[in-house]
Amino acid sequence: NAGVTQTPKFQVLKTGQSMTLQCAQDMNHEYMSWYRQDPGMGLRLIHYSVGAGITDQGEVPNGYNVSRSTTEDFPLRLLSAAPSQTSVYFCASKGGRGNTEAFFGQGTRLTVV
Amino acid sequence: AQSVAQPEDQVNVAEGNPLTVKCTYSVSGNPYLFWYVQYPNRGLQFLLKYITGDNLVKGSYGFEAEFNKSQTSFHLKKPSALVSDSALYFCAVRTGSYQLTFGKGTKLSVIP
Repeated sequence: NAGVTQTPKFQVLKTGQSMTLQCAQDMNHEYMSWYRQDPGMGLRLIHYSVGAGITDQGEVPNGYNVSRSTTEDFPLRLLSAAPSQTSVYFCASKGGRGNTEAFFGQGTRLTVV
Repeated sequence: AQSVAQPEDQVNVAEGNPLTVKCTYSVSGNPYLFWYVQYPNRGLQFLLKYITGDNLVKGSYGFEAEFNKSQTSFHLKKPSALVSDSALYFCAVRTGSYQLTFGKGTKLSVIP
């Protein structure tokens, strides 16, 4: 029972490098999302998707791209990493609208130097 | 805009004492409210939710939350704290068909 799987768990990037954070879920959830967690700021929504082929921006989308080619996968791409993107990133999935809870991955700790 | 606020950055409580972690909300319409817990170096885990019905909601690990419409609050409670309850707690509110908006989190420390 894997749930939501994120890879890698840790990553160090140099400023200007690009990379993709992977997220996969095996619960056939239609909704997936990416958050970043910074001290004292809680979780902020980066991008989300309500189904394959559909994505939209959240609160802090700049510098990030997403795509949703399958129900299971929702990768987050950093186009040109900046130190301000140093954070812990969480992927979450949700099975339905409104009243269902979200399931979270274990997180990716990203450091940009 | 729909939001939640957690007024305390940190709560300290002695083991065996009751604990309360506070959350207030601001929404238009009926609120859907959630509590999550984050243990060190882990993802968030769902504890409980309020959708409708009884104002006292029971959840995982002996936690419960009281919904108070007049005070727009949704405080998390536990009758007897354990050291293993020490973690970061997040209140969240539904802000779209799917989206959740989280509070800034409250660090709970249970002292042996």
